[in-house]
Parts: sequence; structure tokens; C-alpha cells
Amino acid sequence: AQSVTQLDSQVPVFEEAPVELRCNYSSSVSVYLFWYVQYPNQGLQLLLKYLSGSTLVKGINGFEAEFNKSQTSFHLRKPSVHISDTAEYFCAVSENLGGYNKLIFGAGTRLAVHP
Amino acid sequence: SQTIHQWPATLVQPVGSPLSLECTVEGTSNPNLYWYRQAAGRGLQLLFYSVGIGQISSEVPQNLSASRPQDRQFILSSKKLLLSDSGFYLCAWSVLFGTSGGDNTGELFFGEGSRLTVL
Repeated sequence: AQSVTQLDSQVPVFEEAPVELRCNYSSSVSVYLFWYVQYPNQGLQLLLKYLSGSTLVKGINGFEAEFNKSQTSFHLRKPSVHISDTAEYFCAVSENLGGYNKLIFGAGTRLAVHP
Repeated sequence: SQTIHQWPATLVQPVGSPLSLECTVEGTSNPNLYWYRQAAGRGLQLLFYSVGIGQISSEVPQNLSASRPQDRQFILSSKKLLLSDSGFYLCAWSVLFGTSGGDNTGELFFGEGSRLTVL
């Protein structure tokens, strides 16, 4: 079974600084990878996804992620963060269970952007 | 376009009382439907998923149950709430696997969430 590890539970950063949120998954077979963002007391919103093709994926709000098959990683980056990026971020991998795709989520990384 | 709604948004219930959370999806047919829970400071726990009307799979044994009386309606229930049932409940949908022309990646679309506090 697939598993997802988000290496940092909390990441504090100053406004306008770059940030990287790390994500590793367990399998090197073909996978679909996702990053979701959750603002306080809201549902999860898709930031970006990797399905195939270019390993650098661009998403909403200036975020991007790079798929690295050899390192089984899918790290999320933003060159300059804003206060409004403060939220919880979840990495997820899709697992095929034979006729059914299930998303396996990491434990989440809380990004706190300080002025 | 597709939308998903769940309600109520906030609920405060005494221990031992019943629970009903409802979720509906619009703009798509035959979706896969899911209930997740987030306990305070913890990640997402998949509670139930459904691939069709009346078809419910439970991921973990618990005090809760789910039903799917209509194609785009998913209900989370309990007969008697426990303190440990407190949390943030999220409904989600995905395209049914194998749907012709559909996105079979497993991508989930989430509702706004329901915060349950059991006192």
C-alpha cells in the first residue's frame, strides 16, 4: 500500500521569503500526485497535480511542485510567500485498488507566514 | 460545473444524542462519494466511501454510519454520539473509476466541512 510522508509538521517563514514543503511517497510505480491547501475552517482546495509529462507542475497562487521519480518526492515551492498563504498543506498520492482510485494523504504541513 | 455542499456547517451536540450530516453533489452523475474526519491537530482520516446508491464501504470501525439514498446524496449518521466523535467532517466526491472520458486519477473535490463539537 502507498504511504505519504510530509517531513515537516510546521514551517514558519517570513513574508516574501521562499518556502519549500517536502513530500515523499512510498512507491516508484506510476502514480498521480496532488497538493491540497486548507484554510482555517474550510474544506480542501486543489493547488496542483501531477498526472504525467513535465515534472515541473505549476498551480494556483504562484505555487509549483517538482516530481522526482528517483527520489519518490513531490516537493511544493513558492518563491515569495504572502501572509494569505498561511494554511495547512496536504500532499496526496493516488492508489489504484483494482477498479477504484483512492487518495492517500500525508499528515499535513502547517505553513505560518509572519510579517 | 460541479458543486458539492454539506450541512450543517457547525453543530454542537450533547453526548448520547444522534447525528446527521448531509452532503449533496450537483453537476455530475454516478460520483464516488467520501466522508473524511479531521480530529484536532491530526490529518485526514477516511471514514466511508461509496461507489453507488446503497453501496457503502467502511474504512475504520467506529460509532458512525453512512448511507447513500440517492446518487448524489451522502449522509453521515450516529445513533449516540461520543466525545471522541468531535472533529471537522469533510465530504468529497471523485469521478467514478472507469467512466468513459472521465478523469480516473482519484482527484477529490471537497465540500466546505462541518465542525462537530460533542459536549
